[in-house]
Amino acid sequence: DIQMTQSPASLSASLGETVTIECRASEDIYNGLAWYQQKPGKSPQLLIYNTNNFHTGVPSRFSGSGSGTQYSLKINSLQSEDVASYFCQQYYDYPFTFGAGTKLEL
Amino acid sequence: EVQLVETGGGLVQPGRSLKLSCVASGFTFSNYWMTWTRQAPGKGLEWVASITNSGGSTYYPDSVKGRFTISRDNAQNTLYLKMNSLRSEDTATYYCTRGQLWFAYWGQGTLVTVSS
Repeated sequence: DIQMTQSPASLSASLGETVTIECRASEDIYNGLAWYQQKPGKSPQLLIYNTNNFHTGVPSRFSGSGSGTQYSLKINSLQSEDVASYFCQQYYDYPFTFGAGTKLEL
Repeated sequence: EVQLVETGGGLVQPGRSLKLSCVASGFTFSNYWMTWTRQAPGKGLEWVASITNSGGSTYYPDSVKGRFTISRDNAQNTLYLKMNSLRSEDTATYYCTRGQLWFAYWGQGTLVTVSS
């Protein structure tokens, strides 16, 4: 199975700040990576797929990048509504696997 | 508007069975692969099962293979997950999701608690 190591586990930031969340795969996943946002008490929501493609309605302050085994999610100009947990997911190979998550707080 | 509504969760004893349902609306159900994903309380996400749009093929991780069965009724726009031989580690919120590789739409989830 492909292991997804996500860092940091938690992150405290200020409004307007830029934050980056990293995900490292245990092998090359050839850009088969998605990012999800989960607000407290809510279902996860897709942010980005194929490493850097936006899902419908996702604000442009979110961006994804990476290749090979290293991927990242960047949030520019942090807003209060960005307080959430973020998860990466690889779909290059079965079984699909998720990172353990990053809890973002203000 | 895409909507996915799960039902069927609850408290069940270890070793028993449970069947979850997910009614889909707002899109042509028969055109899409569907997936179940779960989240243990306070934990991360785990892919549980996927099914092709026709229902002809299914996919599972080893953790549930042989115990869980995903199925669908395209005439009723409904996705199912039959869970047998439940274990305490199956306790989680189960989400119905639309998608083959990434999951663009999620239901609100249904909580399954496996405990004696």
